[in-house]
Amino acid sequence: EAQVTQNPRYLITVTGKKLTVTCSQNMNHEYMSWYRQDPGLGLRQIYYSMNVEVTDKGDVPEGYKVSRKEKRNFPLILESPSPNQTSLYFCASRAGQSNVLTFGAGSRLTVL
Amino acid sequence: QKEVEQDPGPLSVPEGAIVSLNCTYSNSAFQYFMWYRQYSRKGPELLMYTYSSGNKEDGRFTAQVDKSSKYISLFIRDSQPSDSATYLCAWSYGNNRLAFGKGNQVVVIP
Repeated sequence: EAQVTQNPRYLITVTGKKLTVTCSQNMNHEYMSWYRQDPGLGLRQIYYSMNVEVTDKGDVPEGYKVSRKEKRNFPLILESPSPNQTSLYFCASRAGQSNVLTFGAGSRLTVL
Repeated sequence: QKEVEQDPGPLSVPEGAIVSLNCTYSNSAFQYFMWYRQYSRKGPELLMYTYSSGNKEDGRFTAQVDKSSKYISLFIRDSQPSDSATYLCAWSYGNNRLAFGKGNQVVVIP
């Protein structure tokens, strides 16, 4: 089944404890992206990647890092999480010039 | 560059009613327009997309784009309880980047 898989789905952590949210897609998509979704603010793009070793900032990149060493994986790294990064995170991917994004099921992160 | 307004609702309607959702935008450079549907505890999924002014139908769903007035609409005919979800308008700009409205929660009451 074609899908985007995120892990963990739920995580509670404490301020300053580094964490990584993994994202993997099995559709050989070139483009991958991370979004965060907050009440009243909607979906906002954090980082995106047009292909392997090519990443770029989205609208809210502060406090996050990403890497794209393989086509299928696009991990989101929070080096020193803070409470304002408590949110619902979505990874998404699409093929080349397509406009059809396929989303993962989401990762709910709480930073205490 | 990405300014769009979407009334977040929530919108409650009785089963069988027509649901009407709207987004307005300010940037004429937007290229493609989409509607995504998001069920509770799920990721958004593409419902419809279009790039030209006019109507596009898919079953009970109609997407309408008016580029001169800078608004897009989604109509759901004969609404069903299974249509209860959050609907997000989206648009592409720049290097095929996508940005989203805040979402409009719809509740269809049996």
